[in-house]
Amino acid sequence: AQSVTQLGSHVSVSEGALVLLRCNYSSSVPPYLFWYVQYPNQGLQLLLKYTTGATLVKGINGFEAEFKKSETSFHLTKPSAHMSDAAEYFCAVMGFSGGYNKLIFGAGTRLAVHP
Amino acid sequence: NAGVTQTPKFRVLKTGQSMTLLCAQDMNHEYMYWYRQDPGMGLRLIHYSVGEGTTAKGEVPDGYNVSRLKKQNFLLGLESAAPSQTSVYFCASSSPGTGEDLGQPQHFGDGTRLSIL
Repeated sequence: AQSVTQLGSHVSVSEGALVLLRCNYSSSVPPYLFWYVQYPNQGLQLLLKYTTGATLVKGINGFEAEFKKSETSFHLTKPSAHMSDAAEYFCAVMGFSGGYNKLIFGAGTRLAVHP
Repeated sequence: NAGVTQTPKFRVLKTGQSMTLLCAQDMNHEYMYWYRQDPGMGLRLIHYSVGEGTTAKGEVPDGYNVSRLKKQNFLLGLESAAPSQTSVYFCASSSPGTGEDLGQPQHFGDGTRLSIL
């Protein structure tokens, strides 16, 4: 069975500082991994995904994530935080059961950016 | 380009009332999903559908029913609302993908905020 653990339900950074949101996964098969962002009162938007190939994945808004199989991790980073990055971020792993593409979500990490 | 549209956006119900949440997608996706989002618990799958006329139970299906009579629409019903069903409900859709491109992302609506008193 697949699962996702996001370390830290709340992360606070200063504007311009490095953003690091941690995600560890459990999967018995090569995983497909996703990061989504949720702004207040909105749905989830895809930031980036890893399926196969290059382990460093670049997404929208300057975010990137690195797939590390040996560490079963898929941490999300951004070199310099902007006030507009304040949101909740969800890591997810895709499983395939019952004939459909199942997404298993982590509990989420709320990112606060202060001046 | 609407993507996934959910109606209504907000609703307040009394315990025991019924209601239907509507989800419509214009991306011709085969798969559709209903989730609920509760603080600290991420998103949990209620029901899903892999095609018109087919539905299946997800992780937390009790108290909910669904129907997919048309490919573009996926309805979520609460027959007798309970306070424990107070939540934010999200609909999503995706294509199945093929071959080595199975990792198709899900596209989400903006949610329905439901309060049950």
